[in-house]
Amino acid sequence: GQQLNQSPQSMFIQEGEDVSMNCTSSSIFNTWLWYKQEPGEGPVLLIALYKAGELTSNGRLTAQFGITRKDSFLNISASIPSDVGIYFCAGDTGTASKLTFGTGTRLQVTL
Amino acid sequence: SAVISQKPSRDICQRGTSLTIQCQVDSQVTMMFWYRQQPGQSLTLIATANQGSEATYESGFVIDKFPISRPNLTFSTLTVSNMSPEDSSIYLCSVNRVGETQYFGPGTRLLVL
Repeated sequence: GQQLNQSPQSMFIQEGEDVSMNCTSSSIFNTWLWYKQEPGEGPVLLIALYKAGELTSNGRLTAQFGITRKDSFLNISASIPSDVGIYFCAGDTGTASKLTFGTGTRLQVTL
Repeated sequence: SAVISQKPSRDICQRGTSLTIQCQVDSQVTMMFWYRQQPGQSLTLIATANQGSEATYESGFVIDKFPISRPNLTFSTLTVSNMSPEDSSIYLCSVNRVGETQYFGPGTRLLVL
């Protein structure tokens, strides 16, 4: 099935640095979601975006729904060790709530 | 958000056997889904579990290989049939209610030898 293109594939950063990752699609989505998955766990919802152009924050996380409805980005400010994990974007066309997932960005934070 | 549990959390199985995975939610939900996450990969939707009727499968997934039940609004099962090593994956249940986003269970880690 279709997957969203997510970049970068992996990131190694130092504690305190800001992080930016994005997700692009050839299709339009009505909802963009960002999840984080830690080892041995299921994905945990971080931010949900429902309108083109919407900018939403959740603590140190900020995400935006692209104007074209074909992309989204996630920023993490002042990273900390517990930010380590795999971040997935997901798009929802609104048809039967089925999600299409991005390829994932693996984040490593060093002290 | 709903509290979702899955059983078993992990299993090691022999090829040719079948395993049934359970997903239990603490409250009634509208939609229940099953995803597969192959090692080091992203999530792929297997099917939508429909309450009281046959599941709706995505391209590349068939009922004979992945039979699904959903007898009520809080419970679903996924069976991985006639397993081969290629079926080694994490299997994830997710749910949502009308107007809400999708939440995931902790997953079942399956290794087929």
